[in-house]
Amino acid sequence: DAGVIQSPRHEVTEMGQEVTLRCKPISGHNSLFWYRQTMMRGLELLIYFNNNVPIDDSGMPEDRFSAKMPNASFSTLKIQPSEPRDSAVYFCASSIGDVDTQYFGPGTRLTVL
Amino acid sequence: GIQVEQSPPDLILQEGANSTLRCNFSDSVNNLQWFHQNPWGQLINLFYIPSGTKQNGRLSATTVATERYSLLYISSSQTTDSGVYFCASTRTGTASKLTFGTGTRLQVTL
Repeated sequence: DAGVIQSPRHEVTEMGQEVTLRCKPISGHNSLFWYRQTMMRGLELLIYFNNNVPIDDSGMPEDRFSAKMPNASFSTLKIQPSEPRDSAVYFCASSIGDVDTQYFGPGTRLTVL
Repeated sequence: GIQVEQSPPDLILQEGANSTLRCNFSDSVNNLQWFHQNPWGQLINLFYIPSGTKQNGRLSATTVATERYSLLYISSSQTTDSGVYFCASTRTGTASKLTFGTGTRLQVTL
């Protein structure tokens, strides 16, 4: 299996622009998670899906952030408009069940100028 | 939410040495995982261990759920073990919301 796939790996954008991060979970996994990692806040869960349905989005920082999972093999995290404080590494992870080993993708390093 | 504390925050070892990393959590958990983040940023799952003991090569982990801690043992350390080790857990009854500790940064030198 190819593991969790994320794109792009690096994104540099200017403040105010829309940013879309993409994730393909491991085939057969029913749960998908979006995390953000920063020096100040460490690793924090933004949102997770179970069977394509958002279960907990309490970690989404504000309305500028939105996430979708239109099918079992694809999810997006969108930031509109982006701000410099959104600069971070965004990870996607998947697991077979919602209480199970989580496998992380390589991450997307986002820089907002 | 649950609090996850890791110790020590930093650790420097000479190649071949053994080490023990500790993770304390503030509540009962139904999900406890250890991860290694290598110097290139990749997060690798080491163990899913809500209770009991598991071993994988030179690594082993023990979780004592009743006493709210978990230990990660690294034996015969190698330079490739360098990186940050994270413990993450979910409070029982809160589904899959993993809370990560702040990590132990390990450097293994020749």
